[in-house]
Parts: sequence; structure tokens; C-alpha cells
Amino acid sequence: AQTVTQSQPEMSVQEAETVTLSCTYDTSESDYYLFWYKQPPSRQMILVIRQEAYKQQNATENRFSVNFQKAAKSFSLKISDSQLGDAAMYFCAYCRKTSYDKVIFGPGTSLSVIP
Amino acid sequence: DTEVTQTPKHLVMGMTNKKSLKCEQHMGHRAMYWYKQKAKKPPELMFVYSYEKLSINESVPSRFSPECPNSSLLNLHLHALQPEDSALYLCASSQGLGREITGELFFGEGSRLTVL
Repeated sequence: AQTVTQSQPEMSVQEAETVTLSCTYDTSESDYYLFWYKQPPSRQMILVIRQEAYKQQNATENRFSVNFQKAAKSFSLKISDSQLGDAAMYFCAYCRKTSYDKVIFGPGTSLSVIP
Repeated sequence: DTEVTQTPKHLVMGMTNKKSLKCEQHMGHRAMYWYKQKAKKPPELMFVYSYEKLSINESVPSRFSPECPNSSLLNLHLHALQPEDSALYLCASSQGLGREITGELFFGEGSRLTVL
């Protein structure tokens, strides 16, 4: 069975600094997607970044980038120039390409941004 | 329009009440989902509708009854709930017709349910 692990329940970062959130996953599949979702307090969950397993190049979206290590089954999220609006729960998630409707979420990391 | 709209935002009900949660999307997505989320926990998948047919039921108790009247609407009917069912119920959609499969979920803001 596939699992997603986030070993940091809580993290904090100083405004304008950089923070890295960790995620590891376990799967025997070779073709899958990995995601980072952000859920601010009392607001809707949104996709931050997505990575296809077959693409070796790490995905980037503005201040957000990932370090995808397929062999190590590691998928960390780096947030650069942290802003107060980055404070949220961050969930790492996985799904097989052949069953994209069954997304497996990690337990989440609560990120605080210190002004 | 990239929104998933859920109503009501808040709902308080007794254990003998019958109520419904509603969800609507106009992105042409062919899959719609109900998730249950407890505080500071990840969403737990409850049901998936694909092309208006129930494709996944994660062994959810029968006191939760989903319905998909058409491709844009998703309901969750609630009856005889227990206090432990109090949670945030999230609706999501994905996968536009004819588009590349991306796996991305589009979430609503959720309906916060309290069962007394």
C-alpha cells in the first residue's frame, strides 16, 4: 500500500527567510504524481506545486520549488522569501496516474511565519 | 470560473435531524469528491463520483448518503449522525473532459458540521 510521511508536524520560519518541508512516500509504482497542497486557516485548500514521477526536472512555481529524489522516494518543498501569507497547513500528497481519483495525503506540517 | 462552491458553510444538527450538504462546480470536471477533515488532520476520502456514477465508497457508514444529480452538482445527505461525525466536510473536483490527467484536486471551502 502507498503511504506518505511528513516527519515535521510543526515548523516556523522568519519572514523573508527560506524553509524546507520534508515528505517521503512509499510506492512500488513507477508512474505517479506528487503534490504539495496548502490549507490556510479557515480557507480552502489549494495546490501549490505538482511533480510527475517521470520528469527528472524539479518543479518550480515562483517562490516554491521541490527537491524530488525518486530513488530515495523523497519530495521536499522549499519556500523562499517566506511571507506572512505562507502560514498554513501543508500536505504532501501522492496518486498513481492510473487511479488519479484516489489521492493519498500525508499527515501535514503546520507552518508558522514569524514577522 | 475555477471555483467549487459549498453550502452551507456552517451546520449544527441534532442526532435525529436530516440535513444535506451541497457542492457545485462549473469547471466541466468529470470527477467529484467528498472528504471529511478533522482539525489539523489530512482530508479523508469518503466518496468519489466519476461521470455522475459512484466509483469509490470508502466504507462510509450509511448515515452518510451521497448523490450526484448532474455533472455540476454533488450532495451529501446526513441522517442520524453521531457527535464524532462533527468535522469539516470538503467537496473537491478534478479532471476536465478532454484534458491531460493531472491529478489536481480543486477544493471548496468546506462545510463545518457540528452534531449535538
